[in-house]
Amino acid sequence: DSGVTQTPKHLITATGQRVTLRCSPRSGDLSVYWYQQSLDQGLQFLIQYYNGEERAKGNILERFSAQQFPDLHSELNLSSLELGDSALYFCASSHHRGITDTQYFGPGTRLTVL
Amino acid sequence: AQTVTQSQPEMSVQEAETVTLSCTYDTSESDYYLFWYKQPPSRQMILVIRQEAYKQQNATENRFSVNFQKAAKSFSLKISDSQLGDAAMYFCAYRSAKGTYKYIFGTGTRLKVLA
Repeated sequence: DSGVTQTPKHLITATGQRVTLRCSPRSGDLSVYWYQQSLDQGLQFLIQYYNGEERAKGNILERFSAQQFPDLHSELNLSSLELGDSALYFCASSHHRGITDTQYFGPGTRLTVL
Repeated sequence: AQTVTQSQPEMSVQEAETVTLSCTYDTSESDYYLFWYKQPPSRQMILVIRQEAYKQQNATENRFSVNFQKAAKSFSLKISDSQLGDAAMYFCAYRSAKGTYKYIFGTGTRLKVLA
């Protein structure tokens, strides 16, 4: 158990809908990262938040957005969903105390768009 | 931009034998970190081992060790005394020592362990 929690575990929805994925980082971790893993592919970086502020953006679609709240949990919002958005979405956290920080991954949320 | 390449989509190893998974990367940076993550069928991403680029000594964690060749930009993972529980996808990842600290992942190698 990495200490990072993600809810829900599974999500099935229809095209055009909007969903919210939630992540709670490890206790004390200030940074949250979101990654997308499509069918047996490597993980693609989407976005990073540090202590409530957006730190970096990767290949994140305009239909996707995220935020980190004062209690440091984060939410990833996916809207106008398309079939191709079906994937495993991972959240990872690190303390960001220094450059040696390792990211610890949550169990992921599997999104299926029908 | 940095890239990570895993050229072996799938590997097989006999139980108790040794297997080496390959990873190469491209970067113009001198300071960075490299990681191997294991993803079993549960899909959880589990850290196997990490290597700091400034360290010449290869990292070791029990049955797992790496062969880090900085000049060649190569970072292979050796699994000794393979066990059935080692069967999983293995991902190599790169992280810069500055900037966003995001991970750049390779496409993975599926390891099968034969009884």
